[in-house]
Amino acid sequence: EAGVVQSPRYKIIEKKQPVAFWCNPISGHNTLYWYLQNLGQGPELLIRYENEEAVDDSQLPKDRFSAERLKGVDSTLKIQPAELGDSAVYLCASSEGDRGPYEQYFGPGTRLTVT
Amino acid sequence: GDSVTQMEGPVTLSEEAFLTINCTYTATGYPSLFWYVQYPGEGLQLLLKATKADDKGSNKGFEATYRKETTSFHLEKGSVQVSDSAVYFCAINSGGSNYKLTFGKGTLLTVNP
Repeated sequence: EAGVVQSPRYKIIEKKQPVAFWCNPISGHNTLYWYLQNLGQGPELLIRYENEEAVDDSQLPKDRFSAERLKGVDSTLKIQPAELGDSAVYLCASSEGDRGPYEQYFGPGTRLTVT
Repeated sequence: GDSVTQMEGPVTLSEEAFLTINCTYTATGYPSLFWYVQYPGEGLQLLLKATKADDKGSNKGFEATYRKETTSFHLEKGSVQVSDSAVYFCAINSGGSNYKLTFGKGTLLTVNP
């Protein structure tokens, strides 16, 4: 069974440019998460989807970040415009649901470098 | 809010040495506890978990026991291998209306032959 797929794996952009990351969760997983992982830190949740609904986006900086999961399957996270401080790894995860301690399966991440 | 405090690294051990990585937490409610591992160039993988007090999670020779009285979930392995070299993250999930994982900062483990 395929795991969580993310692309691109690496992205280098200049500040003020837009960037988008794509995630395809494990088949059948209704819940999808986007995490931000700064260097030397643990992941921090940006947004959580239950099917196509964003049920927790309280940590998403909405002035420049946006996300969508239109058909309740794959998802896109966008930054516009990017800032130097956005350089980090962006992780996508999915789980069967959001009730109980369902295991979250993580993708390999997209490493963003903003110059 | 929820928080996880993890032993700072890096930790460097020789093969077959005993490993302990300390983890303590603060949480509202009754959290589930997890250890995740991140091998170089890969995504995070669940290593083990425990969902109630005194539960012991175990996998690949690693163990951790849910200690409610000390709010701790220390990771141990009796004999580490070079292949265990990775970053280890302690995490909690406090349930209720918020199911997000709260992670510690991670501990880099390097095992030398």
